[in-house]
Amino acid sequence: GEDVEQSLFLSVREGDSSVINCTYTDSSSTYLYWYKQEPGAGLQLLTYIFSNMDMKQDQRLTVLLNKKDKHLSLRIADTQTGDSAIYFCAESIGRGSTLGRLYFGRGTQLTVWP
Amino acid sequence: GAVVSQHPSWVICKSGTSVKIECRSLDFQATTMFWYRQFPKQSLMLMATSNEGSKATYEQGVEKDKFLINHASLTLSTLTVTSAHPEDSSFYICSATGNMNTEAFFGQGTRLTVV
Repeated sequence: GEDVEQSLFLSVREGDSSVINCTYTDSSSTYLYWYKQEPGAGLQLLTYIFSNMDMKQDQRLTVLLNKKDKHLSLRIADTQTGDSAIYFCAESIGRGSTLGRLYFGRGTQLTVWP
Repeated sequence: GAVVSQHPSWVICKSGTSVKIECRSLDFQATTMFWYRQFPKQSLMLMATSNEGSKATYEQGVEKDKFLINHASLTLSTLTVTSAHPEDSSFYICSATGNMNTEAFFGQGTRLTVV
């Protein structure tokens, strides 16, 4: 079955870069996603990458995908205290109407120290 | 991005009662909606997939008679937790996709507490 793994905690200083890592097992992933969840809130999509891409950059966010190793990372440049949250990696192996059927990792709690 | 709204945001109910949670797509037609459950400090676990006008498809281990899902229109899906027990207390989140979307849009979640 689908298995998505993430480290549970990451602490960084404000202004440093954060790198959150994720591994997955299903090689038929179509899209891979990074979501942010703040306390008591729903999920906010940060970025996603199609499975045939290696990298995607969006302002402070850089996503790297190593499909051979089934490894996904999210780099946040110039991390701010407002970036403190839980970050979820998720994969979709569906297409069409099942594209939104996502499998999530347990989430990485990012703490940013001033 | 598109907006998905869940109602209520939180609910407390007594054991043995049923609770209905609504998930609405406000500015797009949601051909498919998904229901997830999240335990404290855990991942989101997919419970079921529902397509408008047809029966929901439940993930393995999810009791379809306990978690009733209805997707009667292109903008509304409901999840009813029947005969709720304290172990059903959790954070329930829905998401929705439309025909042309590459992403699923999530509601803000519903915190259910069964006492």
